[in-house]
Amino acid sequence: GAVVSQHPSRVICKSGTSVKIECRSLDFQATTMFWYRQFPKQSLMLMATSNEGSKATYEQGVEKDKFLINHASLTLSTLTVTSAHPEDSSFYICSAGLWGERDEKLFFGSGTQLSVL
Amino acid sequence: SQQGEEDPQALSIQEGENATMNCSYKTSINNLQWYRQNSGRGLVHLILIRSNEREKHSGRLRVTLDTSKKSSSLLITASRAADTASYFCATANTGNQFYFGTGTSLTVIP
Repeated sequence: GAVVSQHPSRVICKSGTSVKIECRSLDFQATTMFWYRQFPKQSLMLMATSNEGSKATYEQGVEKDKFLINHASLTLSTLTVTSAHPEDSSFYICSAGLWGERDEKLFFGSGTQLSVL
Repeated sequence: SQQGEEDPQALSIQEGENATMNCSYKTSINNLQWYRQNSGRGLVHLILIRSNEREKHSGRLRVTLDTSKKSSSLLITASRAADTASYFCATANTGNQFYFGTGTSLTVIP
């Protein structure tokens, strides 16, 4: 199956710093990638839809200036958490959509655990 | 809320038994998918059922869909300890955005 690589898997940072998370589709081109946030024992909350070459579409309640998304190529999307604060600590997961003739599937990265001190 | 609801929230069964989990959603859908997540990892796609389908099988998985009730169920037959994970349903809208249910945590006891 298709492979999505997400890096880093874990990051610890001080409050006020910015953190960049990368999401790469390794063996297919992903025109659309998605960023999710997940709190412990909870579901995934869609943060934004990232389309290659255009601005990301953010879900209601997600701050665009806080969570900067760039999808500059068909294989790479990045999420930058700017001026991170402890409440931004969470598990962030990216996924890439693969649209076939009959199937649409998401392939997920392994996630990034962000801890802001 | 963008989430659908799943029940039960947690399920614990003996190895060999069947596990059934249910998902309800809110909006019109193109398809509904089930994903599995092992603790602290990304999700893995299990099965997709289209809005014009009522039942689908894949190995030990059986999925049903009732669009009139906006609900779906996932049945895992002859469960194994390795099936222990969280299971999420996800609905795709016409804009191909995916929203996930609240999840069911399944524990299969050897």
